[in-house]
Amino acid sequence: TQLLEQSPQFLSIQEGENLTVYCNSSSVFSSLQWYRQEPGEGPVLLVTVVTGGEVKKLKRLTFQFGDARKDSSLHITAAQPGDTGLYLCAGVKDSNYQLIWGAGTKLIIKP
Amino acid sequence: DAGVTQSPTHLIKTRGQQVTLRCSPKSGHDTVSWYQQALGQGPQFIFQYYEEEERQRGNFPDRFSGHQFPNYSSELNVNALLLGDSALYLCASSFNVPTYEQYFGPGTRLTVT
Repeated sequence: TQLLEQSPQFLSIQEGENLTVYCNSSSVFSSLQWYRQEPGEGPVLLVTVVTGGEVKKLKRLTFQFGDARKDSSLHITAAQPGDTGLYLCAGVKDSNYQLIWGAGTKLIIKP
Repeated sequence: DAGVTQSPTHLIKTRGQQVTLRCSPKSGHDTVSWYQQALGQGPQFIFQYYEEEERQRGNFPDRFSGHQFPNYSSELNVNALLLGDSALYLCASSFNVPTYEQYFGPGTRLTVT
């Protein structure tokens, strides 16, 4: 059972377009993290959201944690080829020491 | 400040053999987690070590075992290798805090033939 559902699984768009990636669950998380992974490398932490409704911005990337802390979204404005990669969300459940991972969204930005 | 390091970077083994992968955490981190990642998939949690004890384990058989040393470095051992064990093995370290933000190493690419 996949506790964190990411959508879409794959996205290929032109440079300059906007996009949104979703991370959804029926479970409540105490915090949620977004990572980006490039081929042959380990995932790199982009952001952690903790408070329901929280919005964080990282240059052209905007992250939002749902009010009920069950879902999150990542919006990229004016995507660039350097944004290409596998985007992963991971949530921490209360009373648990491990992260629950989504399966990832593979993003390709074409020049 | 050294990040997470893993060794070796690549490894080729045959079925039935045993393998040991090594990980040194980011300076100051005391918690180490191991993950298996198939190509194009998200990481699958194997186990987590804290204070030299296995604290949490994912859905992996007993062929997968580990160890954490007093300096917080860690090893992952896999016995009786199967073809399906071929994957990227990632080590991640973190502070023992509720958010458990993971800092990953570059991984070890294991190929079982």
